[in-house]
Amino acid sequence: DAGVIQSPRHEVTEMGQEVTLRCKPISGHDYLFWYRQTMMRGLELLIYFNNNVPIDDSGMPEDRFSAKMPNASFSTLKIQPSEPRDSAVYFCASSLRKKETQYFGPGTRLLVL
Amino acid sequence: DAKTTQPPSMDCAEGRAANLPCNHSTISGNEYVYWYRQIHSQGPQYIIHGLKNNETNEMASLIITEDRKSSTLILPHATLRDTAVYYCIATPPFGNEKLTFGTGTRLTIIP
Repeated sequence: DAGVIQSPRHEVTEMGQEVTLRCKPISGHDYLFWYRQTMMRGLELLIYFNNNVPIDDSGMPEDRFSAKMPNASFSTLKIQPSEPRDSAVYFCASSLRKKETQYFGPGTRLLVL
Repeated sequence: DAKTTQPPSMDCAEGRAANLPCNHSTISGNEYVYWYRQIHSQGPQYIIHGLKNNETNEMASLIITEDRKSSTLILPHATLRDTAVYYCIATPPFGNEKLTFGTGTRLTIIP
């Protein structure tokens, strides 16, 4: 298996623009997690899905952030409108069940100017 | 999740065993100890987890004290590629699926 795939790997955008981050989990995994990592706040869980259903989105910082999982092999994290403080590395992870080993993708480095 | 305390940084000579401590004095009976690491510019990587028995896999060994208030991750023969931030997490296996990552220990392997 190729592991968790994220795209794009790097994104530079201007404040106010819409940003869409994409994730393909490992085939057969039924949990998908979105994390954000910054120097100030470390690694934070934003939202996670079980069988394509959002279970806990309490970590989503604002209404500007939204996440979807239309099918078992694809998820998006959207920021609209983006702000400079959204600059961070965004990781997607998947796991087979519950808190079993979470496999992380390579991350998307987002820079909002 | 129980709070965990780790030293902010450690050095280890290449080829020696790296022993990373973690304190989790408030751990409850159903909480497991998980270890992940994050190599620079990569996503976190699962290493090992355990409940109360010592565990070993191809990457590391996990030693949990009998009272479960602390644990040690052992990398038996550290290499330069083991330089990373190591996170210790105490959390129940079911129910809340979240893993809460703290600040971890930055391990530097010295040539």
